[in-house]
Amino acid sequence: DVVMTQSPLSLPVTLGQPASISCRSSQTLVNSDGHTYLNWFQQRPGQSPRRLISKVSQRDSGVPDRFSGSGSGTDFTLKISRVEAEDVGVYYCVQGTHRLTFGGGTKVEIK
Amino acid sequence: QVQLVESGGGLVKPGGSLRLSCAASGFTFSDYYMSWIRQAPGAGLEWVSYIGGSGSDISYADSVKGRFTISRDNTKNSLYLQMNSLRDEDTAVYFCVRGSREIGSWGQGTLVTVSS
Repeated sequence: DVVMTQSPLSLPVTLGQPASISCRSSQTLVNSDGHTYLNWFQQRPGQSPRRLISKVSQRDSGVPDRFSGSGSGTDFTLKISRVEAEDVGVYYCVQGTHRLTFGGGTKVEIK
Repeated sequence: QVQLVESGGGLVKPGGSLRLSCAASGFTFSDYYMSWIRQAPGAGLEWVSYIGGSGSDISYADSVKGRFTISRDNTKNSLYLQMNSLRDEDTAVYFCVRGSREIGSWGQGTLVTVSS
């Protein structure tokens, strides 16, 4: 199975400041159809995961534009341009190019 | 709007069985692959199984292969997970999720606790 490695494990951020989460895969995530199935999910405390980004950089409907995804091949990044209080939670990268696997999660908290 | 509602979780002894259900609405159920994903207490996410729209394409994680069976009834817009020979390490919240490669909507989850 493809191993997804996220960093950091914990990310204390000051309100209004940017945040960045890294995700690396053990194999390329470029699928034979040309797409790269790398998604980002947010899980707020006590809630189900919610998708923020699909195919590396496509923001889901209703997701604030302060969230952005980038990357290619095996290296990917989720950025929050200005962290707000509602962004507290755990963020997961997940790949679907191969059998579905998840990163270990990054806990975003307010300093 | 897409809605996924799981049910059937509970407390079961090691070696026991449970059947989870997921009622789907808000989309054409038979058009979509569906998956079960679980989250152990305080832990990360683990894919368990997926099933194709017609029910013919099925896959399982190695950790549950031979013990769990996924199925669906497109006439009832429902997804199922039959869990047999349950182990302590199967304790988790089980989520019903739309998709298999491009996962999207999640249900609220149902808690399965395996304990003597």
